[in-house]
Amino acid sequence: AQKITQTQPGMFVQEKEAVTLDCTYDTSDPSYGLFWYKQPSSGEMIFLIYQGSYDQQNATEGRYSLNFQKARKSANLVISASQLGDSAMYFCAMREGLRTGGFKTIFGAGTRLFVKA
Amino acid sequence: AAGVIQSPRHLIKEKRETATLKCYPIPRHDTVYWYQQGPGQDPQFLISFYEKMQSDKGSIPDRFSAQQFSDYHSELNMSSLELGDSALYFCASSLGGRSYEQYFGPGTRLTVT
Repeated sequence: AQKITQTQPGMFVQEKEAVTLDCTYDTSDPSYGLFWYKQPSSGEMIFLIYQGSYDQQNATEGRYSLNFQKARKSANLVISASQLGDSAMYFCAMREGLRTGGFKTIFGAGTRLFVKA
Repeated sequence: AAGVIQSPRHLIKEKRETATLKCYPIPRHDTVYWYQQGPGQDPQFLISFYEKMQSDKGSIPDRFSAQQFSDYHSELNMSSLELGDSALYFCASSLGGRSYEQYFGPGTRLTVT
């Protein structure tokens, strides 16, 4: 069964507008972490934001925020004021068993974001 | 700031050959992760090490082995290479087993012909 689902293979957004990239996850572990990574065409993986399952508040990092809805098992990434440099592949990822020593990180299939000028 | 270093950046091998990929984590980072990303695919977790001990294992073929050395660098050894092993191999590092931020290296692109 897919543990991380990203239903949007590709998305377009106008420069300076906000965009939401969807991510749903499946786990029975109460202790887990959710991540978003950006992969530009150059290939490197860039860490964007992290949300822990016990965190009470939604994570924010500059123009990135994570809309964490635990009951719905969703962890959507919101990018505000999109820039041309935001055009890239975005991966949602999850690491289970944070309190029991789990290190395995599972990635979703990714969403390719295109920012239009 | 220092980043994760991977070498080589590109590697071309023939089928049935062996390959060794090296990863040098960010200084003071004690945890290393290896991922394999096929063309157009998401990264697949292979294996991780924390304080020089294997900490978790994913979909790593038996033909592959890895270890973390006393200076915390790690090597991924791949034998009997197959065409399907052609991929981008990432190493990531973090500080502490429970540190959540994984910093990725630039990757090693392995091509098997």
